[in-house]
Amino acid sequence: NAGVTQTPKFQVLKTGQSMTLQCAQDMNHEYMSWYRQDPGMGLRLIHYSVGAGITDQGEVPNGYNVSRSTTEDFPLRLLSAAPSQTSVYFCASSYAQGIYGYTFGSGTRLTVV
Amino acid sequence: GEDVEQSLFLSVREGDSSVINCTYTDSSSTYLYWYKQEPGAGLQLLTYIFSNMDMKQDQRLTVLLNKKDKHLSLRIADTQTGDSAIYFCAERGRGSYIPTFGRGTSLIVHP
Repeated sequence: NAGVTQTPKFQVLKTGQSMTLQCAQDMNHEYMSWYRQDPGMGLRLIHYSVGAGITDQGEVPNGYNVSRSTTEDFPLRLLSAAPSQTSVYFCASSYAQGIYGYTFGSGTRLTVV
Repeated sequence: GEDVEQSLFLSVREGDSSVINCTYTDSSSTYLYWYKQEPGAGLQLLTYIFSNMDMKQDQRLTVLLNKKDKHLSLRIADTQTGDSAIYFCAERGRGSYIPTFGRGTSLIVHP
């Protein structure tokens, strides 16, 4: 099925561990992005990419890295997990600057203990 | 930066109409969107409207856009319990890839 696939769905990390959240889309979308969703805070943009090889920071980039080596994949790396990074993470993609909207993945629920 | 505002909660009785309101500040907004998020799920695009339109209707959903007042609304006719969810308004300015989302309105539908 066409769409945005995020893995894993759930993850528990210990403080200081690193991990990569995976995001893949099969719609040939040029734009991909990562958000975190926290209660009362809405969606906050972490990083985004407008094409392979191009990434930029969003509103809350600290503690996260991204890369975009292919059009399909946009992994999010947590370098040294902290309890403040406990959140639900969403990946989203779009075609043609979002004129038909943005497609979201089903999310990764991350807990850092 | 640009901002999108929504009320946090709306409670309606099953069978009534629901109206969720949104205001935005970006005068260059080109595309505006409504998303629905059910518990434990991602955001699902409900509908979108271009800035050169005043209204868009899609089955039970009606979107109204007042560009002068920078006001967007989503009307859900004959609201059902399955419509209970968080509804997000979003806008995208001209020349930008990045949408700005509101914080979401929790719609509670009671029998």
